[in-house]
Amino acid sequence: DIVMTQTPLSSPVTLGQPASISCRSSQSLVHTDGNTYLSWLQQRPGQPPRLLIYKVSNRFSGVPDRFSGSGAATDFTLKISRVEAEDVGVYYCMQATQFPHTFGQGTKLEIK
Amino acid sequence: QVQLVESGGGVVQPGRSLRLSCAASGFTFNTYAIQWVRQAPGKGLEWVAVISYDGNNKYYADSVKGRFTISRDNSRNTLYLHMNSLNTEDTAVYYCARDGRGGMGTFDYWGQGTLVTVSS
Repeated sequence: DIVMTQTPLSSPVTLGQPASISCRSSQSLVHTDGNTYLSWLQQRPGQPPRLLIYKVSNRFSGVPDRFSGSGAATDFTLKISRVEAEDVGVYYCMQATQFPHTFGQGTKLEIK
Repeated sequence: QVQLVESGGGVVQPGRSLRLSCAASGFTFNTYAIQWVRQAPGKGLEWVAVISYDGNNKYYADSVKGRFTISRDNSRNTLYLHMNSLNTEDTAVYYCARDGRGGMGTFDYWGQGTLVTVSS
């Protein structure tokens, strides 16, 4: 199975400042079809997960443009350009290149 | 609007069975793959299973393979998860999620989840 490792596991951030979360996979996420199926999800307290980014860098409909995804092969990053209060929650990367799909451990974003 | 509503959770004894349902509305159900994802209390997300739009292809996490069966009834716009031989490690909130048009892993809509507690 592909292991997804996120760092940091906790990220205290000042409002208005940037935040960055790293996600590393134990093997390349490039599918035989040429796509890289790496997604980022946000889970606010008491809520189901919400899709932010799919295929590395594609922002899902309705997601603010302060969220961006980048990376390739085994190294990926989610960036928030200016953190707002509503961004508090846990962020997960997930690979869907191979079955079983696997998630990172989650990174808790909190406000300083 | 797209809606996914899970049901069927509850308290069940170890070794028993349970069937979860996920009722879909607001989209053409029989053209989307759907997943089950679970979350143990205070823990992270764990992918459980997926079924293709037509029900012909199914994949499972190793932790549930042989015990859980995913199925769908496209005439009823409903997804199921049949869970057998439940153990305490299966205690979790179970979410269904649609695999959107962006490709695999585009879990674009999620239900609110249903809680399964396995306890004697």
